[in-house]
Amino acid sequence: EAGVTQFPSHSVIEKGQTVTLRCDPISGHDNLYWYRRVMGKEIKFLLHFVKESKQDESGMPNNRFLAERTGGTYSTLKVQPAELEDSGVYFCASSRNSPSGNTIYFGEGSWLTVV
Amino acid sequence: GQNIDQPTEMTATEGAIVQINCTYQTSGFNGLFWYQQHAGEAPTFLSYNVLDGLEEKGRFSSFLSRSKGYSYLLLKELQMKDSASYLCAVRDPGSYIPTFGRGTSLIVHP
Repeated sequence: EAGVTQFPSHSVIEKGQTVTLRCDPISGHDNLYWYRRVMGKEIKFLLHFVKESKQDESGMPNNRFLAERTGGTYSTLKVQPAELEDSGVYFCASSRNSPSGNTIYFGEGSWLTVV
Repeated sequence: GQNIDQPTEMTATEGAIVQINCTYQTSGFNGLFWYQQHAGEAPTFLSYNVLDGLEEKGRFSSFLSRSKGYSYLLLKELQMKDSASYLCAVRDPGSYIPTFGRGTSLIVHP
């Protein structure tokens, strides 16, 4: 079984540019999560999809961040325009149908550096 | 709100035992996870506790006391490859979303 895959693994962009991160969850996992880890801080929740629906987006920092999961398969997280403080590692994770009692599997993360 | 506290860094000797503590003050509780993360890699699942007590899985054990808001991860017979960051995460009962602590960086030396 393939794990959670993320693309790109690393990205360096200039302030004001746009970046789109992609996540392919484990096949059959309805739940998809985005998290972010800024240097020296804890991994922080951004949002949660159940299939194609946004279940909880309370962690999204501001309206420069847009997440989509059309078709309920892969997801994208777009940052537009990027700011310096957006630098960090963006983790995607997925879990099976029922979120209760189920393990959440993480991808290796997309490292974003905004210069 | 959620507040999860872990030591920032710990060191231990190969072959020894180490206990990594996690304390939490959260508005609700629906289970506690431990993850291991090597640098540049994905956090990988180690354990999940929802009831009080000790759960053992090979060299790793995890303990939970809900009344004390306390958990620990016990690593026995330490190996060099155990050097990693260990993340404690508490799940919210309403949303089921785990909230993470900052992680404990464990350094195992010969």
